[in-house]
Order: sequence, then structure tokens, then C-alpha cells
Amino acid sequence: SAVISQKPSRDICQRGTSLTIQCQVDSQVTMMFWYRQQPGQSLTLIATANQGSEATYESGFVIDKFPISRPNLTFSTLTVSNMSPEDSSIYLCSVVKQGPEVGEQYFGPGTRLTVT
Amino acid sequence: QQQVKQSPQSLIVQKGGISIINCAYENTAFDYFPWYQQFPGKGPALLIAIRPDVSEKKEGRFTISFNKSAKQFSLHIMDSQPGDSATYFCAARKTPGGYQKVTFGTGTKLQVIP
Repeated sequence: SAVISQKPSRDICQRGTSLTIQCQVDSQVTMMFWYRQQPGQSLTLIATANQGSEATYESGFVIDKFPISRPNLTFSTLTVSNMSPEDSSIYLCSVVKQGPEVGEQYFGPGTRLTVT
Repeated sequence: QQQVKQSPQSLIVQKGGISIINCAYENTAFDYFPWYQQFPGKGPALLIAIRPDVSEKKEGRFTISFNKSAKQFSLHIMDSQPGDSATYFCAARKTPGGYQKVTFGTGTKLQVIP
């Protein structure tokens, strides 16, 4: 498995401000992702964090709103910019470790963001 | 064609009973089907996964049943316990050619009552 930590675990922010969420993995991983999960809902992929290059964003998510960095194989950050109450959600870091057959995907504990 | 349909949305089971959650998919290219368990305030945890070359996989009290022809798979929790109360997500993805994006079901909130 993979041990994933996220900082902060939760935050309350004012609209118009930005928050950077950090994700640290205990070992080198092939792929890192950022997901959003609204209360009582399923998981929505925001983007794939690529080491040394720009992240790959899913439809409906843009770099200006969710800039992502991945400077090495164990660390990534997601920034939620110019926040509005609609950004209140749980943000999850996820990684894939290559196994003998298929890469298993693991999730961090999440960052619970409330925008007032 | 990328959807994974999950049912029921919520489930209440008595302690000791069997919890059954069902999922159906359309994309026949999917070949890896994991289940995740999520407790409130926590991230999803990989619970058990199956490939379509087997019809059943069992790990402790958790069993995945897979019906390739019907494009359906289900999670059975035997002897359900209050500690199993959580939200369960089925998922599916393609694996050939490297990692492919996973498609999640909508989730089932399970409550096991004493």
C-alpha cells in the first residue's frame, strides 16, 4: 500500500482567497491525482499531476483555478484559487503504485475545505 | 459508456446479516474492478478488487461476485458488523497500455444496526 498525508486536514477560508493543499507520499509512485468530493457525493477527478510538467486537467477544471505542482515523485500541491462557497468540498490526493499486475490506487485522508 | 451504475444508494442491515451492493457497467474494455470503503471524515480505502477472469474473490467477510456476460459485479459483506457502517464505492477501469482513469460508482451508504 501507500501512506499518504495531506496538509491541512481542514480549513475555513474567505471567498476570494487561495488555499494550497500539500500531498506527501511515503514512497515513489507512478502517478498522482487530485480529486474533489462534495458531501454525500462520489469522487470527481480534477487533474493528473505530472512530474516536471504541466498537470492534465479534466473537463470543467482549469489551471488558473486549480494550479498543480509536482516537483518530484513523492510530493504534489493543489491550489484552489479565488475561492467561492461552491468550492467547499473535500479534496483528495490519490496515487497509483505499479504492482506486479495492475497499479492499485490509494487515497489520502482528504482536506475538508469550507469557503465562507 | 463510461458510467458505472451502483445500487442501492443506501442500505440498512441488521448485525450479522448479509449486505449486498450491486454495480453494473457498459464499457466492455473495463478489466479491473476495485471496491473502496470510506468512513466519515476519511479518504476512500481500497477494500478488495477483481479481474474478470474469475467469477468470485473472497477476502475475509468480503466477497466480490462478477458476472462478465451481464456486465455486473457485486460486493457481499457477510456477518455484517456495526464497524462496517461506511460508504462503499465500486469502480472500474481499463488496464492495458498502462494506467487508465478509474470510473467510480455513485456510492452506497451502509448502516449496520445492532
